[in-house]
Amino acid sequence: GAVVSQHPSRVICKSGTSVKIECRSLDFQATTMFWYRQFPKKSLMLMATSNEGSKATYEQGVEKDKFLINHASLTLSTLTVTSAHPEDSSFYICSASLAGVSYEQYFGPGTRLTVT
Amino acid sequence: ELKVEQNPLFLSMQEGKNYTIYCNYSTTSDRLYWYRQDPGKSLESLFVLLSNGAVKQEGRLMASLDTKARLSTLHITAAVHDLSATYFCAVDPSGTYKYIFGTGTRLKVLA
Repeated sequence: GAVVSQHPSRVICKSGTSVKIECRSLDFQATTMFWYRQFPKKSLMLMATSNEGSKATYEQGVEKDKFLINHASLTLSTLTVTSAHPEDSSFYICSASLAGVSYEQYFGPGTRLTVT
Repeated sequence: ELKVEQNPLFLSMQEGKNYTIYCNYSTTSDRLYWYRQDPGKSLESLFVLLSNGAVKQEGRLMASLDTKARLSTLHITAAVHDLSATYFCAVDPSGTYKYIFGTGTRLKVLA
């Protein structure tokens, strides 16, 4: 149980274009989803927290206009990187939780974004 | 500022040896999580520690939590090459549901 998927697993896009990453909870309804970013050989940095049906809460220093997060249903959250630049290249990992029931987060397999 | 620090950052050890990774955190929390990450992969959950004094063991790994000292340990017994990976602890500050990850410990077990 508690499986989270991400799509795509890898994406390459050109500078200036936008790319959307999907995060799905496959066998449970996630009231809260989280988006993390990880640079090579570094730790995970929380970007934003999204609750179903409401606006995402972004961490300090994360540009909300660049990283658009939508949590339209209890099983799907999307992260759109708008007007991507090479410095946006990173490993993006989502997680899902049943906030209010459990504090545990279940992590997706990650999406490697390369902006050329 | 919330900080979660791991020590050491890098660890190279011989097979068969024992070692401990430390995770210190600066916030109040009763919950701490340990994860393993292989290169190019996402996180694999190892342990969920939910109270002071919690101790969990799985195979050659044992984790403990001391919430008063704000310290968790991940002890490796008789290391084998397959344990080579990066290990992260994560703290869930009270009431936030958010995780703050530690700096990570890159473990290399030499045959």
